[in-house]
Amino acid sequence: DIQMTQSPSSLSASVGDRVTITCRASQSISSYLSWYQQKPGKAPKLLIYAASSLQSGVPSRFSGSGSGTDFTLTISSLQPEDFAAYYCQQSYSALLTFGGGTKVEIK
Amino acid sequence: EVQLVESGGGLVQPGGSLRLSCAASGFTFSSCSMNWVRQAPGKGLEWVSYISSGSSTIYYAGSVKGRFTISRDNAKNSLYLQMNSLRDEDTAVYYCARVAAAGTRYGMDVWGQGTTVTVSS
Repeated sequence: DIQMTQSPSSLSASVGDRVTITCRASQSISSYLSWYQQKPGKAPKLLIYAASSLQSGVPSRFSGSGSGTDFTLTISSLQPEDFAAYYCQQSYSALLTFGGGTKVEIK
Repeated sequence: EVQLVESGGGLVQPGGSLRLSCAASGFTFSSCSMNWVRQAPGKGLEWVSYISSGSSTIYYAGSVKGRFTISRDNAKNSLYLQMNSLRDEDTAVYYCARVAAAGTRYGMDVWGQGTTVTVSS
């Protein structure tokens, strides 16, 4: 199986901060990477697909980049509603795998 | 409104069985591939199983292969997960999720609210 490693596992940030989360695949996955946001008690929400494409309805402060094995999710200016957990997920392999998650907390 | 609604969760003893259902509405279910994804308490997301729109292609995570069976009934706009030989480590919230119409590269764009499965004696 392809392993997905996210870092950091948690971070503290303030409203207005620029936040970057990284995701590394154990082998090349081209651009077959998605990012999800999950708030407590809620289902995940798709933010980014194909590594850098913004899902419809998602604010433009979210962006994704990368290809191959290294990817990033960037929030350009953190808003109060962005405090949540974020997960990367590869779909290069038929056996899908998620990263371990990054919890973004209020500083 | 595009919607997925899971049901069928509950408390079951180790070794027992449970069948989860996912009812789809607001979109052409028969054209969409589907996944089951689970989340153990306080843990991250774990993909469980995939089924193509016509049921011709099915995949399972190694942790459930041989114990779980995914299926669908396109006439009833429904997705299922038959879970047998349940273990403590299967305790989780189970989500059904739609694969984006353009394909798996485009992520899972619609999720249900989840149904809770607790395996305990």
